[in-house]
Amino acid sequence: GAVVSQHPSRVICKSGTSVKIECRSLDFQATTMFWYRQFPKQSLMLMATSNEGSKATYEQGVEKDKFLINHASLTLSTLTVTSAHPEDSSFYICSARQGPTDTQYFGPGTRLTVL
Amino acid sequence: EDQVTQSPEALRLQEGESSSLNCSYTVSGLRGLFWYRQDPGKGPEFLFTLYSAGEEKEKERLKATLTKKESFLHITAPKPEDSATYLCAVSGSSNTGKLIFGQGTTLQVKP
Repeated sequence: GAVVSQHPSRVICKSGTSVKIECRSLDFQATTMFWYRQFPKQSLMLMATSNEGSKATYEQGVEKDKFLINHASLTLSTLTVTSAHPEDSSFYICSARQGPTDTQYFGPGTRLTVL
Repeated sequence: EDQVTQSPEALRLQEGESSSLNCSYTVSGLRGLFWYRQDPGKGPEFLFTLYSAGEEKEKERLKATLTKKESFLHITAPKPEDSATYLCAVSGSSNTGKLIFGQGTTLQVKP
């Protein structure tokens, strides 16, 4: 149980285009989902917290107009990187919280490369 | 400020050589301490959640323990497939469900 999927697993795009990443909880309902970014050989950096049916809460320093988050249902959250630039290239990972505990289950990640 | 420090940063073991990874933490109102395993190019895989000092949990060759200041992940007779980065995280009463991660310990087990 507690499986989280992400799509796509890898994406390459040109500078200036937008990219959408989907995160789904497959076997449970997640009222809260989280989006992280991870640089090589570093730990996870929380970008934003997404609650179903409400606006996402962004961490300090994360541009909300650049990283659009939508949590339209209890099993789906999306992250759209708008007008992507090479510095946005990174490994993006989502997670979902199950039930009342703080345990988060992570997706497999999406490798974004902006040319 | 809530904080997590993991040591060592890297650990090399021979197959069968048991050892422990340390996670020291400071947090206001511990709600949970979490251990994850992360393989290169993949998302973290959930291992354990510990809620209170004295609690212990086991899974195969792994055993996690918790005190009021730190947690240990004990690896008994490790195998090469245990090679990965192990991440520790905490959630506290002031963080509304967010996890504060340590920098991780990268474990390499040689056959």
